[in-house]
Amino acid sequence: EVQLLESGGGLVQPGGSLRLSCAASGFTFSGYAMRWVRQAPGKGLEWVSTISGSGGTIYYADSVKGRFTISRDNSKNTLYLQMNSLRAEDTAIYYCAKRHEVGGGGTPAPNDYWGQGTLVTVSS
Amino acid sequence: DIQMTQSPSSLSASVGDRVTITCRASQGISNYLAWYQQKPGKVPKLLIYAASTLQSGVPSRFNGSGSGTDFTLTISSLQPEDVATYYCQKYNSAPRTFGQGTKVEIK
Repeated sequence: EVQLLESGGGLVQPGGSLRLSCAASGFTFSGYAMRWVRQAPGKGLEWVSTISGSGGTIYYADSVKGRFTISRDNSKNTLYLQMNSLRAEDTAIYYCAKRHEVGGGGTPAPNDYWGQGTLVTVSS
Repeated sequence: DIQMTQSPSSLSASVGDRVTITCRASQGISNYLAWYQQKPGKVPKLLIYAASTLQSGVPSRFNGSGSGTDFTLTISSLQPEDVATYYCQKYNSAPRTFGQGTKVEIK
């Protein structure tokens, strides 16, 4: 059974930093791209970042580029999101999500499994 | 960047009604379109991918169609458990933009 468990959220002041983790199990972690998606309170879903299975290909939303860093440790089956220079507008639930198994690694695919999310609140 | 526009933003329908939600991409995305369902307080769930392929375990009353720029999610007979917000998402390339969501309620 695929499981994704986020951690690391909390209250941080504007300008501060936080590192989120997503512990994965139930699938061959290194074989799948992973994503971070966030949802501000009462708002819609926003894609944040994607990292390929090897970690060699990375994409960011413009809203976080230069401030957030996605990474993964395939030996620990864990995905990370380092968030620096946090702003009030970064307040959201952050979900990690796994690439759907459809097609090969190079084929675009949606998210099939999502974690429960971790809440990040940026406030003074 | 390609924008994804859903309509309506909300709707109210009776149990058993046919419900249709549309999603329009500002540029063609072939069939790289997914639909997600998010029930209140819950995690998003994949319903449909490749515009029309039903994810395993999803009831057959959900149907997706479209290609290029115009897509549709149809619930053939609305059930009480379908109360949720529905999102489309393009996934052909980054940024993997979501639509703004459509909130579905029971009348």
